[in-house]
Amino acid sequence: SYVVTQPPSVSVAPGETARITCGGNNIGTKSVHWYQKRPGQSPVLVIYYDRDRPSGIPDRFSGSNSGNTATLTITRVEAGDEADYYCQLWDTSSDHPGVFGGGTKVTVL
Amino acid sequence: EVQLVESGGGLIQPGGSVRLSCEGSEFRLNINYLNWVRQAPGKGLEWVAVLYSGGATYYADFVKGRFTLSRDDSKNTVYLQMNSLGAEDTAVYYCATPLNARDAFDVWGQGTVVTVSS
Repeated sequence: SYVVTQPPSVSVAPGETARITCGGNNIGTKSVHWYQKRPGQSPVLVIYYDRDRPSGIPDRFSGSNSGNTATLTITRVEAGDEADYYCQLWDTSSDHPGVFGGGTKVTVL
Repeated sequence: EVQLVESGGGLIQPGGSVRLSCEGSEFRLNINYLNWVRQAPGKGLEWVAVLYSGGATYYADFVKGRFTLSRDDSKNTVYLQMNSLGAEDTAVYYCATPLNARDAFDVWGQGTVVTVSS
């Protein structure tokens, strides 16, 4: 089955830019979604189809996907952005199609 | 308000069974595809299963025939029957569905806790 890899952690100062990667073989040919997960809360979709933002998500959140890496970028990072972030995609060639990355803990210094 | 509400979790003996429910509010579950996602303590999100509107189902590899999805359209509810549970199945189980985001999960339930322990 398709495997995606995320760095376990990213640290960023307030006001700076955080970049969270999601690596996979030719992931650029797939559509990648990103979720924010805070402790004790349900996940929240922040980016879908590589770069689309759901209503209510600030434009500080953006996404890209090319080659073997998809990236979630958070600009002007705020303390409230501290959370775990997960990439997700569908491997439609598999009998087990749902795939999540292992998650990246974003720490705001 | 559009929402999903899970129920049915609890403390389960190893080897036991439980049925989780996911009820939709303000939208019809049978025109979407309903997923279950879990998070074990200290671990990441893990996709469990999907039930498509046409009735097709797919499961994660770790399920290995132990879980079964079903739907009751009259109750606007999807069920996840889980059998032969082990400690590794201890997790918060969420149901999630795409509503306005094509095949991404933009609607999530609040989660229900399943603890497998003697």
